[in-house]
Amino acid sequence: GIQVEQSPPDLILQEGANSTLRCNFSDSVNNLQWFHQNPWGQLINLFYIPSGTKQNGRLSATTVATERYSLLYISSSQTTDSGVYFCAVGSNTGKLIFGQGTTLQVKP
Amino acid sequence: EPEVTQTPSHQVTQMGQEVILRCVPISNHLYFYWYRQILGQKVEFLVSFYNNEISEKSEIFDDQFSVERPDGSNFTLKIRSTKLEDSAMYFCASMGRRANYGYTFGSGTRLTVV
Repeated sequence: GIQVEQSPPDLILQEGANSTLRCNFSDSVNNLQWFHQNPWGQLINLFYIPSGTKQNGRLSATTVATERYSLLYISSSQTTDSGVYFCAVGSNTGKLIFGQGTTLQVKP
Repeated sequence: EPEVTQTPSHQVTQMGQEVILRCVPISNHLYFYWYRQILGQKVEFLVSFYNNEISEKSEIFDDQFSVERPDGSNFTLKIRSTKLEDSAMYFCASMGRRANYGYTFGSGTRLTVV
């Protein structure tokens, strides 16, 4: 099956700093999503991005499908950005395979 | 923005008891899923459901698990005889006909088996 690897596993930032999270996957996919899991355990959909680049406020994501990786950029980080960031990949309507996540802590 | 709603948010049950976790997917969605996340681990696929039948299931989804869409709006996951290792966060998700926005996940049910 498809393997999904995220890096780094843990990240500590000072408020205001920028960061890049990476997701590598082992096979072609039709669906790639980035999620933020907040301290209450909710999975918040950040981006649906099987290819290309999208931006939403301080967050942006780029997927290079031919090279099987995706990047999530967080600029001017805030304490509310803390939590676990998951990348998940799959076919269009089939199951999603999640990575192990990147745990981000933003310190004031 | 449309939401996937899950109830209850937290359930505590005794080992061996049956539990039913409930989900109301987004109304015009066609594909429905259950995932689980054991504390501190990654999110794992359990089962997908389309056109009133299971389309795919994982090895986790054994005979103790079942899913139903009893009335065209609710989507339920039943665990017949819970074990301690069933303690986890269970997420419901749905997707529309066109996967332009990907999955929408519910806020989860935290199941604790004691």
